[in-house]
Amino acid sequence: KAGVTQTPRYLIKTRGQQVTLSCSPISGHRSVSWYQQTPGQGLQFLFEYFSETQRNKGNFPGRFSGRQFSNSRSEMNVSTLELGDSALYLCASSLQLSNEKLFFGSGTQLSVL
Amino acid sequence: EDQVTQSPEALRLQEGESSSLNCSYTVSGLRGLFWYRQDPGKGPEFLFTLYSAGEEKEKERLKATLTKKESFLHITAPKPEDSATYLCAGHNNAGNMLTFGGGTRLMVKP
Repeated sequence: KAGVTQTPRYLIKTRGQQVTLSCSPISGHRSVSWYQQTPGQGLQFLFEYFSETQRNKGNFPGRFSGRQFSNSRSEMNVSTLELGDSALYLCASSLQLSNEKLFFGSGTQLSVL
Repeated sequence: EDQVTQSPEALRLQEGESSSLNCSYTVSGLRGLFWYRQDPGKGPEFLFTLYSAGEEKEKERLKATLTKKESFLHITAPKPEDSATYLCAGHNNAGNMLTFGGGTRLMVKP
């Protein structure tokens, strides 16, 4: 069974640009969550999608947004990039909403110059 | 606000030298306490879920325990391949959000 797939693996952008990251969950998993990981703040919850609807949201500015498609694949978008947005962005899938057993992808390493 | 604190931040052990990692938590309506392992360049990998005080779970050289305020990850006779960052996270009853601790970076030398 294939795991959670995130693309691209690495991304370099400049301040002010926008970026879209992609996540394909494990087949059959309907919930997708996004986390930001930085050395200083650790892992922080961004949002969770289930059945194409955002169900939970963390404490991040509106520049961070996401969506989920009917096949459960998800994308997250960051607009007007700032230097502080440099981080590893992790996607996690689970079978159902509020299912605590999360399966993580390897992440997208975003560098903002 | 939910908080999860892990200690120590880093731990160096010799192969075979047993030790424990600590996770202190303040999570409203705790639904579960999770342990994950993260290798460099990879996402966290699920290890255990603990639901109630007194519960214990084991997997190979790892044993996780839970009290009302803390969880411990005991590592018995570790091997170099156990080297990784170990993360704990609390799951509250308000949603699917996990609150993660900062992690403990474990290095096991042969």
